[in-house]
Amino acid sequence: AQKITQTQPGMFVQEKEAVTLDCTYDTSDQSYGLFWYKQPSSGEMIFLIYQGSYDEQNATEGRYSLNFQKARKSANLVISASQLGDSAMYFCAMRENNAGNMLTFGGGTRLMVKP
Amino acid sequence: GAVVSQHPSWVICKSGTSVKIECRSLDFQATTMFWYRQFPKQSLMLMATSNEGSKATYEQGVEKDKFLINHASLTLSTLTVTSAHPEDSSFYICSALGLSLTANTEAFFGQGTRLTVV
Repeated sequence: AQKITQTQPGMFVQEKEAVTLDCTYDTSDQSYGLFWYKQPSSGEMIFLIYQGSYDEQNATEGRYSLNFQKARKSANLVISASQLGDSAMYFCAMRENNAGNMLTFGGGTRLMVKP
Repeated sequence: GAVVSQHPSWVICKSGTSVKIECRSLDFQATTMFWYRQFPKQSLMLMATSNEGSKATYEQGVEKDKFLINHASLTLSTLTVTSAHPEDSSFYICSALGLSLTANTEAFFGQGTRLTVV
């Protein structure tokens, strides 16, 4: 089974509007971390936000917030006030503390911001 | 944040030749480095985990004799693609985990290397 599932291969959003990128995960570990990365066309991986499995509050970083629903095993990324520069691939990833600390990535969502 | 430098950023090589990609942690000691491969329009797939001073652990389906990984120091890991073929053309990217970083922090990525084998 897929450990990280991103069901939206591509999404459009109007500039200045908010957008939610979906991510669900599968793990039996109690301790894990969830990450979102942005990958522009240059290929670099830009860290956006992190949520620990024991964090009770949803993580926020500027215009990025993570809607963490532990019981549903979802960790959706919300980008507020979209900008043209937000157009990129977005990857959700998970690190399971009992699995060697590597990141397992979802399939990604291509976000396109329309002017 | 911590800086990971990957070199070269792109390389074109002939079939049958070998290519070495370097991944350096510039301002921290990386006990563990991960090598990922990304085909166009696909996600990152873990190839191997590299621990300083020991043999790399390869994921299922990754040929260890073809993708040689060396992690000789706490700041440098190298991936050598041996006898490259066109199907090895891909984007290779490393990430590093440091001594002072806990398991619940971000992974720091290199800039990636785009390999084209002709």
